[in-house]
Amino acid sequence: GAVVSQHPSRVICKSGTSVKIECRSLDFQATTMFWYRQFPKQSLMLMATSNEGSKATYEQGVEKDKFLINHASLTLSTLTVTSAHPEDSSFYICSAKEGQGTGNTIYFGEGSWLTVV
Amino acid sequence: DAKTTQPPSMDCAEGRAANLPCNHSTISGNEYVYWYRQIHSQGPQYIIHGLKNNETNEMASLIITEDRKSSTLILPHATLRDTAVYYCIVTSYGNKLVFGAGTILRVKS
Repeated sequence: GAVVSQHPSRVICKSGTSVKIECRSLDFQATTMFWYRQFPKQSLMLMATSNEGSKATYEQGVEKDKFLINHASLTLSTLTVTSAHPEDSSFYICSAKEGQGTGNTIYFGEGSWLTVV
Repeated sequence: DAKTTQPPSMDCAEGRAANLPCNHSTISGNEYVYWYRQIHSQGPQYIIHGLKNNETNEMASLIITEDRKSSTLILPHATLRDTAVYYCIVTSYGNKLVFGAGTILRVKS
């Protein structure tokens, strides 16, 4: 299947700083990408939907000013956690939809572990 | 989005078929059934998806009932590496995938 890559796979940052996570579709163009967060022993929680060239759509309860999403090209979306705090420590996962239409496959990245100290 | 119901956990003997059920009684006509799995500390892996016909690929088979209110994912010869959380998801317009709790499949030797 298609490959979605995230970077970094693990990051540790100090409280109050910002950290950026990249999500790339390596062998296909993704007009739509999605960002999730997963806490230990819980399911994935959708944070936002990112469309190339337009503003992201955030799920209810997700602070758009804290989790900045940029989808500047058809192969790259970034998530920036601003002013990170220990409670933001989590597993962040992106996914990308191959092609357009409602029946296309969505592939996930390997995930990025964020630890805020 | 249509809600899905899956058993919280299942066990399967290595080499046997694993049959994972999913109920989605409120599915609408244009919604697809997707299956993903997540092995510990990794991103979800796509397995298969379908609309109304049964589907098969190199990983699994998807059997969707005629009324589309339920489906079964079949792993024909389960191995220890198939131990994972399996998610059945019904999509809404725009393919936003909303994850439930899934089924923990434990394959035992």
